[in-house]
Amino acid sequence: GENVEQHPSTLSVQEGDSAVIKCTYSDSASNYFPWYKQELGKRPQLIIDIRSNVGEKKDQRIAVTLNKTAKHFSLHITETQPEDSAVYFCAARGETSYDKVIFGPGTSLSVIP
Amino acid sequence: KAGVTQTPRYLIKTRGQQVTLSCSPISGHRSVSWYQQTPGQGLQFLFEYFSETQRNKGNFPGRFSGRQFSNSRSEMNVSTLELGDSALYLCASGTGTSGANVLTFGAGSRLTVL
Repeated sequence: GENVEQHPSTLSVQEGDSAVIKCTYSDSASNYFPWYKQELGKRPQLIIDIRSNVGEKKDQRIAVTLNKTAKHFSLHITETQPEDSAVYFCAARGETSYDKVIFGPGTSLSVIP
Repeated sequence: KAGVTQTPRYLIKTRGQQVTLSCSPISGHRSVSWYQQTPGQGLQFLFEYFSETQRNKGNFPGRFSGRQFSNSRSEMNVSTLELGDSALYLCASGTGTSGANVLTFGAGSRLTVL
């Protein structure tokens, strides 16, 4: 079955710097890759997603890139702010409606003011 | 529109007991997925229900079960509780269709097993 790995497990950056989180997936049939942010004590929320027919997607300070050949995708956060501090989860899902969403183990991001 | 509602939010049980958790999805959503979240283990997939049928199952023992009702509300049950079952149980509501399947999570049910 699908397996998603995520690195690093923890990440500390200075406010204003960029942060990059990388994920790899095992099932070449996966074609949907969402990213969720979970702030302390809150539920995970979708922040951005990408489908396999697109190589990059941006939304203000966040962007996601996808390399289907290498089976990896990354989250990029620019100009980090303290409110970006949270646990970020990448995930992968196959093409059919029967495919489940499998999450990576998460990255704890700390933005130091 | 109303979000995903999970009840109860907190509960404490002792080993050997059983527990039932409830999840009401977003109106119109037919898919409910359940995840177990523990520190360091991320979000572990339990199962997904769509139109009252279990469509997917994760690698959890048979003590973990679920069901979905005709109004799309879902319950999960854990029997013969073990200490290791202490976790935050999250349900996620979705359309359940192919392609992009945006999951909207509930606030979770935090289970403590003593």
